[in-house]
Amino acid sequence: GIQVEQSPPDLILQEGANSTLRCNFSDSVNNLQWFHQNPWGQLINLFYIPSGTKQNGRLSATTVATERYSLLYISSSQTTDSGVYFCAVTVTGNQFYFGTGTSLTVIP
Amino acid sequence: DADVTQTPRNRITKTGKRIMLECSQTKGHDRMYWYRQDPGLGLRLIYYSFDVKDINKGEISDGYSVSRQAQAKFSLSLESAIPNQTALYFCATKGRSGGYTFGSGTRLTVV
Repeated sequence: GIQVEQSPPDLILQEGANSTLRCNFSDSVNNLQWFHQNPWGQLINLFYIPSGTKQNGRLSATTVATERYSLLYISSSQTTDSGVYFCAVTVTGNQFYFGTGTSLTVIP
Repeated sequence: DADVTQTPRNRITKTGKRIMLECSQTKGHDRMYWYRQDPGLGLRLIYYSFDVKDINKGEISDGYSVSRQAQAKFSLSLESAIPNQTALYFCATKGRSGGYTFGSGTRLTVV
């Protein structure tokens, strides 16, 4: 199956700092999403972004499908941004492949 | 109300017991999925269904069964629970286009 790698695996930020999370995938995909899992375990969809760039408040994402990577930008980080960020892709639409996530801790 | 609702939110059960996790959705999506999450392993697919008559195994279906009672309902059963099925379980839906929508998760502990 397709390999989905995320980096860095762990990240600690001072509140107000910016960060970039990366997702590399090993094959062409027809769907890519970024999720945030909060400390209570809830999985929240951030972006549906198989290609291009999207922005939502302090978050933005870019996927370069031809080069098989996606980036998630977090600006002016807040403590509520803490949690695990997952990148997930589908190839044929039948199965979603998740990366192992980036664990983000934002300290005040 | 949430688009995808999972019940129960938390459950502790004993080894050997049968347990059912339920998922219902109001998005009108045909496709429904069950995933489990274990520390360090991300999410892995257990079963998926494209409609009431179409159910497929995912990568880790052993020890699980599912039932698609209606377009809006997709249940996951553990016929005889074992401790290594302790995990966080997610139900998800998807329409013909666009992304996936996840439920809030069910935290299952098998003792």
